[in-house]
Parts: sequence; structure tokens; C-alpha cells
Amino acid sequence: GAGVSQTPSNKVTEKGKYVELRCDPISGHTALYWYRQSLGQGPEFLIYFQGTGAADDSGLPNDRFFAVRPEGSVSTLKIQRTERGDSAVYLCASSVGQGPSTDTQYFGPGTRLTVL
Amino acid sequence: GNSVTQMEGPVTLSEEAFLTINCTYTATGYPSLFWYVQYPGEGLQLLLKATKADDKGSNKGFEATYRKETTSFHLEKGSVQVSDSAVYFCALISNAGGTSYGKLTFGQGTILTVHP
Repeated sequence: GAGVSQTPSNKVTEKGKYVELRCDPISGHTALYWYRQSLGQGPEFLIYFQGTGAADDSGLPNDRFFAVRPEGSVSTLKIQRTERGDSAVYLCASSVGQGPSTDTQYFGPGTRLTVL
Repeated sequence: GNSVTQMEGPVTLSEEAFLTINCTYTATGYPSLFWYVQYPGEGLQLLLKATKADDKGSNKGFEATYRKETTSFHLEKGSVQVSDSAVYFCALISNAGGTSYGKLTFGQGTILTVHP
């Protein structure tokens, strides 16, 4: 079946602009995660959704970052007033969400964001 | 807080050589431990996991044993292949505070290159 998909695969924007990054999880997965991976580093947790609600947004770096999942499926990560330091690969992952915390997370290919 | 430390890379080996990638962690409670792999041009995927002390995770010839006394989860493979060339990430999920979802904390990753 289809895996996690993310669009766009690449996004180049100018400092100060607004961007939206989209994640389509595996059908039926209720848990959805966003991570950010800077060059040469491991992914860092941003936010976790269970269904439509953000159950843990403790990883969002500041109030320029916001994410939604209005129907419990597709999620959008929104970044306002982008800064050069926001340049990174943004990863989305989903899991069944009905089992233990160690349910396998399936990752998408990521969106590479470059802020000029 | 929780953290994962991996051995510095990159690691370069000849085919059929023995592989060890060291991983140590700091976490509250009794974390679950993971190795993820990212092949060139692909998304992160789970390689193996262990959810309690002394458990051994294994997959595709790779093994790692959860050592609580040394807070380690070293990845090993007896005979690497060119197709094992990838970036390997050690990660954990902490169950502190009764966490019921999979907030992953990753190490910085180790690049492995295997030559014929």
C-alpha cells in the first residue's frame, strides 16, 4: 500500500515568507508526528497528533510554527516569517496509534526547506 | 532530559568486514531503544528495536542488545555488504510520566560506506 507522502519534496523561499508543508499519512493511522532534521544531525521532534488534536507540541521552536490536522488524516505544518535558520528537512511519520508507544513509525521522504 | 550519543562517523569498511556502531543513551524511566536506517534517496525506516533490558533486536543480519547497566545499544553486523551503505540513527522513546506515544529522540547519525 501507499506509504507516507510529503509535498513538496523541495521548497525554496525567501526570508520573511510564509510556507506550508503537507503530510499524507498511511490510511488508518491515527498518530502523526513531525520532526525536523538539520544538516548532519538526527531528526528532532516537533509535534504529535492523535487524531485531530495536537497532543504534544512541545518541540515547536517558537510561535512562528504551527501545525493542523483538521480531519485526522492530512496534516499541514505552517511556518510564518521564515528565517534562514528554519532551513532543514521536515519529516512526517505516522503510526497505527492504537497500540503501545513503540508502534512502528513510518516516515515520509521529507520536505527540504531552504530559506534564502 | 533524554539524549542519544552515537559514535562519530563516517565509517568506511570493506565488504564482509565486521561492523560496530556505538550508541549510548541518557533517559528517565525505562526507554525503548531503536535503530533506524536511511538508505540513499529513501526515507527513514525502522531497522530493529528492543523494549526492555537484555532484549536483543535483530533484522537483516544486524543485531543490538539493550544493556541497561552500560546504557548502551550498540549496532553490530558480522559481514557487511555494499548495500548496507546508509546513514544509521540510534533513537529512544522514554516512558517517563506514563508517556503513551512514540516521541523519538535521535542520535546524530553515523554514515556507513561499504566498498567492494
